[in-house]
Amino acid sequence: NAGVTQTPKFQVLKTGQSMTLQCAQDMNHEYMSWYRQDPGMGLRLIHYSVGAGITDQGEVPNGYNVSRSTTEDFPLRLLSAAPSQTSVYFCASSYFGYNEQFFGPGTRLTVL
Amino acid sequence: AQKVTQAQTEISVVEKEDVTLDCVYETRDTTYYLFWYKQPPSGELVFLIRRNSFDEQNEISGRYSWNFQKSTSSFNFTITASQVVDSAVYFCALSEGSNTGNQFYFGTGTSLTVIP
Repeated sequence: NAGVTQTPKFQVLKTGQSMTLQCAQDMNHEYMSWYRQDPGMGLRLIHYSVGAGITDQGEVPNGYNVSRSTTEDFPLRLLSAAPSQTSVYFCASSYFGYNEQFFGPGTRLTVL
Repeated sequence: AQKVTQAQTEISVVEKEDVTLDCVYETRDTTYYLFWYKQPPSGELVFLIRRNSFDEQNEISGRYSWNFQKSTSSFNFTITASQVVDSAVYFCALSEGSNTGNQFYFGTGTSLTVIP
């Protein structure tokens, strides 16, 4: 099992560009989520999904879109990148929302 | 208001000392789940423990132990006889909500440095 995979590992964007962070899991988990980690802020939930076709907003959803067309994949889209979105992004999955989450290795994003 | 508060931003201890990391949470739900994660310098997030709100028994796993007290809304983590490999950032997290629709809230983390 690969667990939770994220691509890319690093990305540099210019303000206004769009991009998609990819996340996939092969554990047949229903619950998937995206977090951003900023110094001194811990991890903050951006969006989450309780199953294919169902997504919901977390604490900091503005500027991000998600979709969940399959159980395995949960991409995160930045619509128009801003310097405030410079962060480390983690994707996670679990069987259900109350189980321990397994995290991907993270994507370090810099927006210039 | 913060749902999960980790008041200790940074802690340094000398190897073999015991250290306790504090976690205070806030929720109105009667069913909720608490977690601790470790983030070593390499950056990955490692699950340590999960506790549900109905189980207040303390847990011990090797040098790690956890004290859950609903009366004070605390879920503290103690490392006994600390080692250099324990140096990491530790996060406490809360999952509240019914069944599958849970939202997770993480604390801001405590950075632990164990000095050899």
